[in-house]
Amino acid sequence: TAGITQAPTSQILAAGRSMTLRCTQDMRHNAMYWYRQDLGLGLRLIHYSNTAGTTGKGEVPDGYSVSRANTDDFPLTLASAVPSQTSVYFCASRGTSGPGEQFFGPGTRLTVL
Amino acid sequence: GQNIDQPTEMTATEGAIVQINCTYQTSGFNGLFWYQQHAGEAPTFLSYNVLDGLEEKGRFSSFLSRSKGYSYLLLKELQMKDSASYLCAVMDSNYQLIWGAGTKLIIKP
Repeated sequence: TAGITQAPTSQILAAGRSMTLRCTQDMRHNAMYWYRQDLGLGLRLIHYSNTAGTTGKGEVPDGYSVSRANTDDFPLTLASAVPSQTSVYFCASRGTSGPGEQFFGPGTRLTVL
Repeated sequence: GQNIDQPTEMTATEGAIVQINCTYQTSGFNGLFWYQQHAGEAPTFLSYNVLDGLEEKGRFSSFLSRSKGYSYLLLKELQMKDSASYLCAVMDSNYQLIWGAGTKLIIKP
């Protein structure tokens, strides 16, 4: 079982360009999340989806968009990247069994120049 | 507002015991989670508390006091592989996780 996969692993992007970060899970979890992690700050929620077909804004949604066409995939799009979007991006999912902990993908390290 | 506080960095000796504290103020409470994150890797789930008291899982234990908005993670018999960041997170009334900035634990031989 792969769990959660993210692609690409890392990327250098020119400011003003668009990019989609991919996230796929095979655990049939309903809830999925996108976070960014910056040095000295906690994980900050960008967008989330409680179930396929629905999405919501987190703490720092500006400059990002998401879609949830099916249970497995939850892509994050940067329409016009800016240097402040340089960060490590983690996708996570949450199941309904147990305490409801979140499972994380390996992350995408994005540098916007 | 919502706030999770934990020390930025701690240092401990191999074989010793260390306690990492976390205080929180959140809108609603549906449990407190501890995660471990090694440098360059994703966070991984360690423990969960929803009721007051101590939860023990091998060398790791986690304590919760809801009335005080306080938790700690206790690591015993420290090993070099325990060098990592430890993240405290509270699940709020919307079942979203609110995260602390993490405590970097340095283990010295």
